[in-house]
Amino acid sequence: EPEVTQTPSHQVTQMGQEVILRCVPISNHLYFYWYRQILGQKVEFLVSFYNNEISEKSEIFDDQFSVERPDGSNFTLKIRSTKLEDSAMYFCASSDGPGYNSPLHFGNGTRLTVT
Amino acid sequence: DQQVKQNSPSLSVQEGRISILNCDYTNSMFDYFLWYKKYPAEGPTFLISISSIKDKNEDGRFTVFLNKSAKHLSLHIVPSQPGDSAVYFCAASIAGTASKLTFGTGTRLQVTL
Repeated sequence: EPEVTQTPSHQVTQMGQEVILRCVPISNHLYFYWYRQILGQKVEFLVSFYNNEISEKSEIFDDQFSVERPDGSNFTLKIRSTKLEDSAMYFCASSDGPGYNSPLHFGNGTRLTVT
Repeated sequence: DQQVKQNSPSLSVQEGRISILNCDYTNSMFDYFLWYKKYPAEGPTFLISISSIKDKNEDGRFTVFLNKSAKHLSLHIVPSQPGDSAVYFCAASIAGTASKLTFGTGTRLQVTL
């Protein structure tokens, strides 16, 4: 079964550094998402992306965050200047449509640790 | 933000018996509900969904029930199997933002032999 793949599985970075999390969505999917889960808390929506544009973003997704689809296969999340509170598991997801019959398929996540 | 609540952090069920996982929501705008399963070190995996125009949806061993007046949904797994042991997340979305999911905190299901 096709999978969403994320790299790296674990990223350690120092506070203030830039970090890029990478994702390869399922190949025929057109809608892409980032979610995160801080340890012990809920999975939270960050951003959705379609047709090279952000469709929707949460209040968490401030100016420190950006997303990009640099080529036909990758989808990235950049955090410009990491903070301690950015430490979390970041999940990429993709779907073949925007609606109810197109459930999200999640990757296995990147654990980001900011020291 | 407690729009989607799973009040039982854990549940233990014997193999072969029924597992019932519960979820409550407060936002009456939610009209699409999903259950995801998550194993350690993996991402959430979609299990089953239901839209607000229905009160039941079934897929094999998994059935989701929706009670809109009570703002409550439940996932039934019959019969439970050891491989079902995982964390189960309830999620909800609003029409027009079907992919922006609001998740509950999860229930850890342990299916014992």
